[in-house]
Amino acid sequence: AQSVAQPEDQVNVAEGNPLTVKCTYSVSGNPYLFWYVQYPNRGLQFLLKYITGDNLVKGSYGFEAEFNKSQTSFHLKKPSALVSDSALYFCAVRDRGSSSASKIIFGSGTRLSIRP
Amino acid sequence: DVKVTQSSRYLVKRTGEKVFLECVQDMDHENMFWYRQDPGLGLRLIYFSYDVKMKEKGDIPEGYSVSREKKERFSLILESASTNQTSMYLCASSVTGTEASPLHFGNGTRLTVT
Repeated sequence: AQSVAQPEDQVNVAEGNPLTVKCTYSVSGNPYLFWYVQYPNRGLQFLLKYITGDNLVKGSYGFEAEFNKSQTSFHLKKPSALVSDSALYFCAVRDRGSSSASKIIFGSGTRLSIRP
Repeated sequence: DVKVTQSSRYLVKRTGEKVFLECVQDMDHENMFWYRQDPGLGLRLIYFSYDVKMKEKGDIPEGYSVSREKKERFSLILESASTNQTSMYLCASSVTGTEASPLHFGNGTRLTVT
């Protein structure tokens, strides 16, 4: 069965420090991988995705994510955190072999809190 | 920019009521989705539609139905609301034919069933 794990419910980082939000997955074959962010009282916004090629993917708001095939991970990173990065972050996976757009699996979410 | 609009931000309904949640997208997307978001559970797919009048059940369709009479509009219907349907409901859309097309979400409807 396909699954996505975000092992940390909450990540706390001081402003200016680097941040990492972890995501691991279990999907047959090579998946498409996504990160979304949800600010309070809003829907999810797309941050970045991995399709193929360079394992380091750059996205919106200075975020990047590193695809590691051997560890089946897709961790979200940012070199210097801002207080405004505080939000709920979701990792999502879609099986590349799936013909249906509905076969997207979301992780349970990680709450990122950046202290001034 | 794609805009996905959910008609209500907050709703309070009584047990047994029939509830309609409306969603409209303005980018001619083929795919539309209804998700339910609960703390610690992430997003769970209720229903998916890939074209007008076409639908697929998601992971948790029980107690829900959907309607898609026009391409831009996707409605979620709670036939007889129950307290365990108190949740945040998110509508999303995406385009077909673009590799790994991301989802575009509305701002959500927080439904409370009392």
